[in-house]
Amino acid sequence: GAVVSQHPSRVICKSGTSVKIECRSLDFQATTMFWYRQFPKQSLMLMATSNEGSKATYEQGVEKDKFLINHASLTLSTLTVTSAHPEDSSFYICSALGHEGANTEAFFGQGTRLTVV
Amino acid sequence: KQEVTQIPAALSVPEGENLVLNCSFTDSAIYNLQWFRQDPGKGLTSLLLIQSSQREQTSGRLNASLDKSSGRSTLYIAASQPGDSATYLCAVPVSGGYNKLIFGAGTRLAVHP
Repeated sequence: GAVVSQHPSRVICKSGTSVKIECRSLDFQATTMFWYRQFPKQSLMLMATSNEGSKATYEQGVEKDKFLINHASLTLSTLTVTSAHPEDSSFYICSALGHEGANTEAFFGQGTRLTVV
Repeated sequence: KQEVTQIPAALSVPEGENLVLNCSFTDSAIYNLQWFRQDPGKGLTSLLLIQSSQREQTSGRLNASLDKSSGRSTLYIAASQPGDSATYLCAVPVSGGYNKLIFGAGTRLAVHP
């Protein structure tokens, strides 16, 4: 299957600082990527849809000024958690579709464990 | 609004058993259903993708079935091994769409020697 690489895998930052997480599709181009958040022992919750060359689409309840998404190329989307606080500590995972269409498989990155202290 | 439920939430079995994991969804008008595996602290590995026109998919010891009309899918794991220990998640696209996924809470599987 297609490979999606996410970096870093773990990050610890101080309250008030910003953290950038990268998501790359290594062997295919992805016009659309997705960012999910996962709390301990809970399932994934979609945060936003990242569209190459245009603004991201955020799910209800997700602060767009808090979670900045940039999708500047067909293989890279970034999520920046701005002015991080301890409640932002979570596991963030990105995904990309193998191709556009109704029966396409979603591939996921390895995830980023963010801890805000 | 699409909702996904997985039963059981956790399962602990001895090695060698055949297992059935269940997934149900409220809106049967789906394009596909996907099963994933997640190891602790890791991302998701795609196991099987079943298209709406299909009734089942197989990969090695894994077999997934789909019954759209009843809103159910099952993941069958044959001859379970300790290496199968992980959380298994099923996901379907949001109602009316096919890109954004709605996930179940998962089944945490532990296979002991």
